[in-house]
Amino acid sequence: DQQVKQNSPSLSVQEGRISILNCDYTNSMFDYFLWYKKYPAEGPTFLISISSIKDKNEDGRFTVFLNKSAKHLSLHIVPSQPGDSAVYFCAAIYTGANSKLTFGKGITLSVRP
Amino acid sequence: KAGVTQTPRYLIKTRGQQVTLSCSPISGHRSVSWYQQTPGQGLQFLFEYFSETQRNKGNFPGRFSGRQFSNSRSEMNVSTLELGDSALYLCASSLVGGDGYTFGSGTRLTVV
Repeated sequence: DQQVKQNSPSLSVQEGRISILNCDYTNSMFDYFLWYKKYPAEGPTFLISISSIKDKNEDGRFTVFLNKSAKHLSLHIVPSQPGDSAVYFCAAIYTGANSKLTFGKGITLSVRP
Repeated sequence: KAGVTQTPRYLIKTRGQQVTLSCSPISGHRSVSWYQQTPGQGLQFLFEYFSETQRNKGNFPGRFSGRQFSNSRSEMNVSTLELGDSALYLCASSLVGGDGYTFGSGTRLTVV
């Protein structure tokens, strides 16, 4: 049962434009959401996160939006740069005992120069 | 400070063999989690150790096991290797778990 879903396996955008990466979840107990970025042959690196008590969190070019009623979050990258080309993983966790990070399958973002 | 260190980086094993992977967490981090990444499957949770105790386990067969030492270093063992075990195995450490995970670069295991 895939509790965190990234339904689009890939996304291609032009440099300078906006990239929107989507993520859906099914477990209503999740109360903290994270985005990780991964380059080939490297481990994922933390990008940005959001608590379920918020609906938006911004860090430079990266903004994450959370719609709890729709169980949906999205990562916006503006403006997109070629160096943003990587695999992006959405992850979720509930802050209870013995909780674990649950990841989606990832989206491959390609930013064209 | 040093990051999460995984050894070896690459490994080639034959079906039926066993393998042990190592993870040294960030100094002071007591939680170590292991994930398997395969193409199209994302990161699948294997298990988490905290203070030498396994406190969470994913849906993997008993061939996959792990342990954590008193210095928080962790090892993961896979016995009777199958071709489908070929994957990138990632280790992540955090202070107490929950969030704030830092990942290592992974061990690329190829089973032939």
